[in-house]
Amino acid sequence: ETGVTQTPRHLVMGMTNKKSLKCEQHLGHNAMYWYKQSAKKPLELMFVYNFKEQTENNSVPSRFSPECPNSSHLFLHLHTLQPEDSALYLCASSQSPTSGDHNEQFFGPGTRLTVL
Amino acid sequence: AQKITQTQPGMFVQEKEAVTLDCTYDTSDPSYGLFWYKQPSSGEMIFLIYQGSYDQQNATEGRYSLNFQKARKSANLVISASQLGDSAMYFCAMREMDSSYKLIFGSGTRLLVRP
Repeated sequence: ETGVTQTPRHLVMGMTNKKSLKCEQHLGHNAMYWYKQSAKKPLELMFVYNFKEQTENNSVPSRFSPECPNSSHLFLHLHTLQPEDSALYLCASSQSPTSGDHNEQFFGPGTRLTVL
Repeated sequence: AQKITQTQPGMFVQEKEAVTLDCTYDTSDPSYGLFWYKQPSSGEMIFLIYQGSYDQQNATEGRYSLNFQKARKSANLVISASQLGDSAMYFCAMREMDSSYKLIFGSGTRLLVRP
């Protein structure tokens, strides 16, 4: 595997379900990100992890719970979601943002989530 | 106030011609970076080009170049010799160095290349 991978690619869940999204990066990066992309809205940053520590929570509802067990893996645990949470969820990774370089983020293909 | 503005929701270009995608930004941070990403229908965001606020020259990467006009706060993407595979969404993004983690995206421009 190369780059950033995400599973599953598509997910349909009911409002009472619990599911998890998985992201894995094979680039040796230290920072990982979750973004939400809704129809007709700009990409929204949700969470940032730098060296496994959460450094950013962009006012995300608690029904989204991130987990970063190591620098290569990032999870997004979902529970009691709402239909408006249906979106494309993108994971990204980069070198540490504090390293001083321009640090472009490399994105995975995303998980298309539909909440019924 | 919007930090990144892309005023063109959709654009058409004839194959082999050049096209310019507009992006303006708003920041009071003297140190910042500007990025362009391409998002094909598959969903993955693909990094294209970067321009730092202190860079003296406009960035170029193959057929992509960035027309950086700092005083006007614009960072337009120019794609030369358009190819059918260039059809995609294009996003402009900014990273302010005083809040080093956040990449702020514009609403995107959908480019369609006509054969």
